[in-house]
Amino acid sequence: AQSVTQPDIHITVSEGASLELRCNYSYGATPYLFWYVQSPGQGLQLLLKYFSGDTLVQGIKGFEAEFKRSQSSFNLRKPSVHWSDAAEYFCAVLKNQAGTALIFGKGTTLSVSS
Amino acid sequence: EPEVTQTPSHQVTQMGQEVILRCVPISNHLYFYWYRQILGQKVEFLVSFYNNEISEKSEIFDDQFSVERPDGSNFTLKIRSTKLEDSAMYFCASGQGQGLNEQFFGPGTRLTVL
Repeated sequence: AQSVTQPDIHITVSEGASLELRCNYSYGATPYLFWYVQSPGQGLQLLLKYFSGDTLVQGIKGFEAEFKRSQSSFNLRKPSVHWSDAAEYFCAVLKNQAGTALIFGKGTTLSVSS
Repeated sequence: EPEVTQTPSHQVTQMGQEVILRCVPISNHLYFYWYRQILGQKVEFLVSFYNNEISEKSEIFDDQFSVERPDGSNFTLKIRSTKLEDSAMYFCASGQGQGLNEQFFGPGTRLTVL
């Protein structure tokens, strides 16, 4: 069955430092992968998505993610974190390519220290 | 910028009572979704709705749950007889299509069942 694992529950990064949030997926075919961010009191906002082609995808707010099929990973990165990036980040996979259901990981809470 | 709205932001109810959670999707969207997140757990897909019928649902979405689009703007989730384990954050989402089309999420309704 399809699943998503985010191994890190909570990460703290210094402002200006680089960030990598890990995501591993389990999916039989080529997955459709997503990263969402949720700030307090807000809904989930799409950062980026991958379905095929270039394995490095660019998203909003300076985020990027790299799809690595050999490692079943889709890690989210940002070269320099800002205090406003503090939020909860969710990795998700579409349950099937023609479908509608997103399967989410448990999320990683990012704290940014000054 | 158009956004998905949900009301109420917090609902408290007694076990066995019926609740209706309301959502106003983005106006030109055709697909509507409900997800929930029990505290400390993953965001879980409940149901998707298109063309006035359910297009996909999860095992969680049993006979206690129903969805409706009663008019041109609202999308509702009804829980007929709430249980303690229904306590969760419920997210509504909408999108223009399925598959890779972005799902736009509302801020959520926190349901507490006593």
